[in-house]
Amino acid sequence: AQTVTQSQPEMSVQEAETVTLSCTYDTSESDYYLFWYKQPPSRQMILVIRQEAYKQQNATENRFSVNFQKAAKSFSLKISDSQLGDAAMYFCAYRTTSNNNDMRFGAGTRLTVKP
Amino acid sequence: KAGVTQTPRYLIKTRGQQVTLSCSPISGHRSVSWYQQTPGQGLQFLFEYFSETQRNKGNFPGRFSGRQFSNSRSEMNVSTLELGDSALYLCASSLKRGGRDTQYFGPGTRLTVL
Repeated sequence: AQTVTQSQPEMSVQEAETVTLSCTYDTSESDYYLFWYKQPPSRQMILVIRQEAYKQQNATENRFSVNFQKAAKSFSLKISDSQLGDAAMYFCAYRTTSNNNDMRFGAGTRLTVKP
Repeated sequence: KAGVTQTPRYLIKTRGQQVTLSCSPISGHRSVSWYQQTPGQGLQFLFEYFSETQRNKGNFPGRFSGRQFSNSRSEMNVSTLELGDSALYLCASSLKRGGRDTQYFGPGTRLTVL
């Protein structure tokens, strides 16, 4: 079974600085999708960024980028120029390419942004 | 487009009762998935419905069930509530099933079992 591990329960960053959140996963599949979701205190989960395993190029969405290391099964999220609104729980998630909407989530990392 | 909506937002029940939660997906989305979120277990997949059929189910007891209507709206039901069922229940919708299709989450229903 696929598992997702986020080893940092909490992280903090100074406003305008850069922070990296770690995620590792375990799978025997060669093709899959990885996601980072953000859950602000209001509790609505929002997709931050998505990566297809077959793509070597790291995904980027504005200030958010990933470092996808397939061999190491690592998928870290880098937030540049951190803003107060980035404060939230961040979840790393894995999904197979099969016709299956069962997503496996990590335990989450709570990010605090200091002004 | 309106986002995923869930009703009610908050619910308080007592042990032994049953509860029904509702989820309205984004217009045009046909897949609805349910997740349970607790501090101890994190986010866990409950089940997924597509075209009114349950397509996939997580590792939860039979007390947890659901259904989907022809308009893609979904309900989940928990019977004989236990204290451990207290959680935030999240619903997510997507256009199709699986793959790169993004799941959009609702705000959740906070269930408290006393």
